[in-house]
Amino acid sequence: NAGVTQTPKFQVLKTGQSMTLQCAQDMNHNSMYWYRQDPGMGLRLIYYSASEGTTDKGEVPNGYNVSRLNKREFSLRLESAAPSQTSVYFCASSQDRVQTPLHFGNGTRLTVT
Amino acid sequence: DQQVKQNSPSLSVQEGRISILNCDYTNSMFDYFLWYKKYPAEGPTFLISISSIKDKNEDGRFTVFLNKSAKHLSLHIVPSQPGDSAVYFCAGYGNNRLAFGKGNQVVVIP
Repeated sequence: NAGVTQTPKFQVLKTGQSMTLQCAQDMNHNSMYWYRQDPGMGLRLIYYSASEGTTDKGEVPNGYNVSRLNKREFSLRLESAAPSQTSVYFCASSQDRVQTPLHFGNGTRLTVT
Repeated sequence: DQQVKQNSPSLSVQEGRISILNCDYTNSMFDYFLWYKKYPAEGPTFLISISSIKDKNEDGRFTVFLNKSAKHLSLHIVPSQPGDSAVYFCAGYGNNRLAFGKGNQVVVIP
């Protein structure tokens, strides 16, 4: 009964380092998402994948890349981390893009120094 | 451009009383609305939703009301319980986009 699993839970990077956040879902959902949550800002969409094989930009895609590896897995990559990317990152999935609730993972807390 | 606004960032309420959370939206293309609940160090969890063809949806202690003409929705929790202490996010969906509000912190006092 895992739902959406994100790794790692915590990460500290130095400016300029790269890393990949991993996400997997076991609900056979078609759509997957990456959000970031910052204090006082709510949840903002970085990238999404409406279905396997497709990815699209969200509200705040700059500095990030994504890969929909297969139906289960959707990764988020920071090629050259910046302090402005310090945030809590949430992966989510939903059955479809339209009018279906999102199921979220427990988040990755990333600090860039 | 904040399409979904949640004012009054925090709310304290006595156990057993009603909690009312408000949400305003600006995008007239929104046709589906959701509320999520979030505990610290966890991801948001889906609570309740409402389609724009309805003005009320009820699920146990949780009721969401939608006033389309005012572009306003509210979440009522009756009766409030200590386990309801969390951050609540309102979200609106339309034009292939889901927009979240900034969240309301609710504290239920035993």
